[in-house]
Parts: sequence; C-alpha cells; structure tokens
Amino acid sequence: GAVVSQHPSWVICKSGTSVKIECRSLDFQATTMFWYRQFPKQSLMLMATSNEGSKATYEQGVEKDKFLINHASLTLSTLTVTSAHPEDSSFYICSARQGFIEQYFGPGTRLTVT
Amino acid sequence: GNSVTQMEGPVTLSEEAFLTINCTYTATGYPSLFWYVQYPGEGLQLLLKATKADDKGSNKGFEATYRKETTSFHLEKGSVQVSDSAVYFCALSDEPGGGSEKLVFGKGTKLTVNP
Repeated sequence: GAVVSQHPSWVICKSGTSVKIECRSLDFQATTMFWYRQFPKQSLMLMATSNEGSKATYEQGVEKDKFLINHASLTLSTLTVTSAHPEDSSFYICSARQGFIEQYFGPGTRLTVT
Repeated sequence: GNSVTQMEGPVTLSEEAFLTINCTYTATGYPSLFWYVQYPGEGLQLLLKATKADDKGSNKGFEATYRKETTSFHLEKGSVQVSDSAVYFCALSDEPGGGSEKLVFGKGTKLTVNP
C-alpha cells in the first residue's frame, strides 16, 4: 500500500524555539495532506487540511500563525510549530491522499517542549 | 457536531478469543464509518469501512456492520491472534461517496492478545 513518512519521529525543543515536522508521501502524489494532533488517551483531532500549492484550511480553534503549514509539492508537506511552549507538546500525525480515495497515515512525530 | 464514542481500553484477550470493540456515533445526515488499526511504531491503516446503513465491512477476519437504528459500528473478530495486538480507532466522515475527508475519530482502544 501507499507509504507516508514523517521526520523526525521524536523531537525535543526548548520553549520559545520553532520546530519543523516533515510529512512525505513516498510512492504517490498527494493532492491533499492532513495534520492531526493527538493527546495521550485522546482521539486524533484534525488541525488543518492542505492542498498542494494553496493555503491550508485550519480547523476552528487552531492558531494558523502558530502552526504554519506548507504543502509546496505533491509529495511534501511541513508543519512548523512557532515559538513552541510546553502546552504544544503532543503527538502530531499527518496523512495524505490522492484524489478522493482513502487517507494514508504517517507514523507520527512526538514533540516535547521543555 | 459529529462525534464518535468507542469503548475504553485496554482490552486483553487470550489467543483465539472472541473480540468485540463497541463504537457508537453521533452525526447529522448519513456518514461513512471506518475502523483504523495502528500497529506499534506504524501509522494508522484502514481496516474496513461501510458507507451506508446495513453495509458490512470486513477484512482480515474483522467485521463491522453499519447499524443506523442504533447508530453503531461495532468491530468483531471470531478468533483473535497475537498479531492483532494494536490500537483500534473508530471514525466517521460525512463526505459523500465514502470518502475520508474530515475524519472524526474515537479515542482508540488498545488490544493486547496473549498467546
């Protein structure tokens, strides 16, 4: 099946710094990519949807200036957490799909802000 | 708004036991329903789906039937294996045609199967 990778798998950063997470579709072109956030023992919450070459659409309550999403190519989307704070510590998951078929999920990135 | 409620885990079973993971939903309209599985260290994978009432999704011995009258989509397997140990997520989407835009997930249920 289709493979989606994320890098890094785990990152620790200091409060106030920014961190970038990459999401790549390895064997297909992703017209749409999704970013989710998951707290321990909670469900995945959709943060934003991005289509290649256009601005991301953010869900209600998600700060677009804090969580910058770039979908510059059909195989790469990045999520940058700007001026990170401990409350941003979470598990971030991306998914990708081509057209209107199913979403394929990456393995996730654990962010810890100290 | 749309929401999914699934049974709290963790669930621990012996090999060859019967598995049921309950899932109920709240949605306007007629959503599509999904079960995803996440094995350790891997991304979520679609296990099965159903797009309309009374549809039964099945895959790898797992089954779930879309019950509109009870707003449920319970996951079942007759005989679990150690390799089924994973976290299972129930989800819905109100995208027409069974697409997976705007998935709404339950909290996940961790299943451990012991030999």
